[in-house]
Amino acid sequence: DSGVTQTPKHLITATGQRVTLRCSPRSGDLSVYWYQQSLDQGLQFLIQYYNGEERAKGNILERFSAQQFPDLHSELNLSSLELGDSALYFCASSKGGRPHYGYTFGSGTRLTVV
Amino acid sequence: GQNIDQPTEMTATEGAIVQINCTYQTSGFNGLFWYQQHAGEAPTFLSYNVLDGLEEKGRFSSFLSRSKGYSYLLLKELQMKDSASYLCAVRDQESSGTYKYIFGTGTRLKVLA
Repeated sequence: DSGVTQTPKHLITATGQRVTLRCSPRSGDLSVYWYQQSLDQGLQFLIQYYNGEERAKGNILERFSAQQFPDLHSELNLSSLELGDSALYFCASSKGGRPHYGYTFGSGTRLTVV
Repeated sequence: GQNIDQPTEMTATEGAIVQINCTYQTSGFNGLFWYQQHAGEAPTFLSYNVLDGLEEKGRFSSFLSRSKGYSYLLLKELQMKDSASYLCAVRDQESSGTYKYIFGTGTRLKVLA
């Protein structure tokens, strides 16, 4: 157990639907990062939050949004789902500040869009 | 533009040393990361380099040359459990001040007995 909790572990949904993925960071970590990993595109950085504020943004689609709540958990919302959104979605957390502290990943949510 | 290149696959023998190279092109380089990912599992953070030189952590070392846009991950005394994908990633700072993380496609390392 890495200390980063992601729910659900698996999700199957239909095209056009909306889903919410949840991440609880490791105790004491202020930063949360979201990544998408698909077979054809590898690991892609989506977005980072630090203590509730957006800190970095990758190639996140407009159909996707995220937020970090006062208790530091984060949610990634995916809407108008397409078949190509099927992927593993990872969340990672860090203390924030110096990257030398490292990053801890959750075990991921596997999303299948049918 | 932004680009990261690393070999797709490498094979090495148990007990040997292997070097995995990564070259990158970014406009606002602000650090380079190495991750290990076993098949079907989440990535694990290995190292972070922002200044030139070698950082050593046990059997793993990571080197950076900013002027050459080049890094390598050195794995010594290879063990079977080191068979995994190794991902190189760069943190890029944009003109707005925000950061972006760009990942290479990963190098699949097979360690043979």
